[in-house]
Amino acid sequence: AAGVIQSPRHLIKEKRETATLKCYPIPRHDTVYWYQQGPGQDPQFLISFYEKMQSDKGSIPDRFSAQQFSDYHSELNMSSLELGDSALYFCASSSAGRELFFGEGSRLTVL
Amino acid sequence: QQQVKQSPQSLIVQKGGISIINCAYENTAFDYFPWYQQFPGKGPALLIAIRPDVSEKKEGRFTISFNKSAKQFSLHIMDSQPGDSATYFCAASMLSNFGNEKLTFGTGTRLTIIP
Repeated sequence: AAGVIQSPRHLIKEKRETATLKCYPIPRHDTVYWYQQGPGQDPQFLISFYEKMQSDKGSIPDRFSAQQFSDYHSELNMSSLELGDSALYFCASSSAGRELFFGEGSRLTVL
Repeated sequence: QQQVKQSPQSLIVQKGGISIINCAYENTAFDYFPWYQQFPGKGPALLIAIRPDVSEKKEGRFTISFNKSAKQFSLHIMDSQPGDSATYFCAASMLSNFGNEKLTFGTGTRLTIIP
C-alpha cells in the first residue's frame, strides 16, 4: 500500500540558510499535518492543511511557512535556519478516519 | 506544560514478560487516545487506539486499559518480544474546529526487550 512520502530524507544546512521539505500524502487523503521531533523528544505539531487550505496552526515559528498544492502535496519552507531547528520533521496524512499516517521523516541538521 | 504525561521514560522487560506503559491527561475534551510505535529513524506508526466510552481494547498482544474518571490510560504488551523494542508514544486527541486531529503526544517510553 502507498505510504506518505517525504523528501529529502536527510538535509544539512548552514545557519541562516533556507530549507524546503516536501511531503506527498497517501492518495485520496485530504489532510496533511507537519510535526517537528527534536532529539529524544515527542513530536510537536506545527501546522495542518485540509483540502489545500491551512486549517490548524501549532508551535510553528514565524520563520517557517507551509502550503498544500493542487495535487495535495505539501511543502514546509524554513528560512533563517537556527541550530535549534535541527530535528526530524514528519509529515502525516489522513482521510475520513482519525488515524494519522506518518512518513519516515526528513532529518534536518543545521551547522 | 505537558498535557499528556507518560511513564516510565525507559523500560526493560525480559522476553515473554508483560510491558506496561502508563499515561495521564488533564483535558477532558480529548476524545481519542492512540498509541504510536516508533523505531529509530522511522515515523510513528499507529499501534492501537481507544475512545473514552470503552474501558479496554485488545488487539493481539496489545491491550489498552482506559480509566475515564482517573483520566489515565495504559498500554499492556503481553508476551513481549525483542521485535517490540521501540519507543512508544501515547497520545490524546480532539477534533479541531476544522475537523482535523489535534494530537498531543506523551513524552515517550523507550522499551527494550531482552532475551
